[in-house]
Amino acid sequence: SQKIEQNSEALNIQEGKTATLTCNYTNYSPAYLQWYRQDPGRGPVFLLLIRENEKEKRKERLKVTFDTTLKQSLFHITASQPADSATYLCALDPGNTGKLIFGQGTTLQVKP
Amino acid sequence: DGGITQSPKYLFRKEGQNVTLSCEQNLNHDAMYWYRQDPGQGLRLIYYSQIVNDFQKGDIAEGYSVSREKKESFPLTVTSAQKNPTAFYLCASSPTTGREKLFFGSGTQLSVL
Repeated sequence: SQKIEQNSEALNIQEGKTATLTCNYTNYSPAYLQWYRQDPGRGPVFLLLIRENEKEKRKERLKVTFDTTLKQSLFHITASQPADSATYLCALDPGNTGKLIFGQGTTLQVKP
Repeated sequence: DGGITQSPKYLFRKEGQNVTLSCEQNLNHDAMYWYRQDPGQGLRLIYYSQIVNDFQKGDIAEGYSVSREKKESFPLTVTSAQKNPTAFYLCASSPTTGREKLFFGSGTQLSVL
């Protein structure tokens, strides 16, 4: 079956460290993958989009990698801050039709 | 300010009752979406619309209905046929469908009395 998986266990790290979140998918060949941030009781907010021909993309303290061979994307937050604490969702479009499917999200907790 | 407005923030449904969730956008986006989110789970697509007067079922459309009579508005009705409606409902929009980021509203929490 087709699915997209993120680590359901919360990730707890110390302020200043690098957080790394994983998104794995099976049976898809997506042209791109997106990452969103969601705070409790709020809608997700778009962070980054990476295309299949891009190995890595950066935006300020954020970095995303996309390995189409491993069928995996990694999302890094460097110099993490307590304000980075949230749930992070990955999403992809299996048929390139605009119908995004989402992973279940990984909750990040950054402790001061 | 441009954005997506969902209302109400909280909604309660009685047994056998239909309820309608509002979603309005002033971003001039063609595509609009409804997702459902259950605790600890990802977002699941209910319905989406690529253009006015057209919409398609998503993965979990049973028990829901939508309309798209205006570009700005995409209301979702949760019918009595939806036996487990308690969830967080999210509306989103994008300029077009495909390779575009989604802009989300702040969500509606629906609970059953």
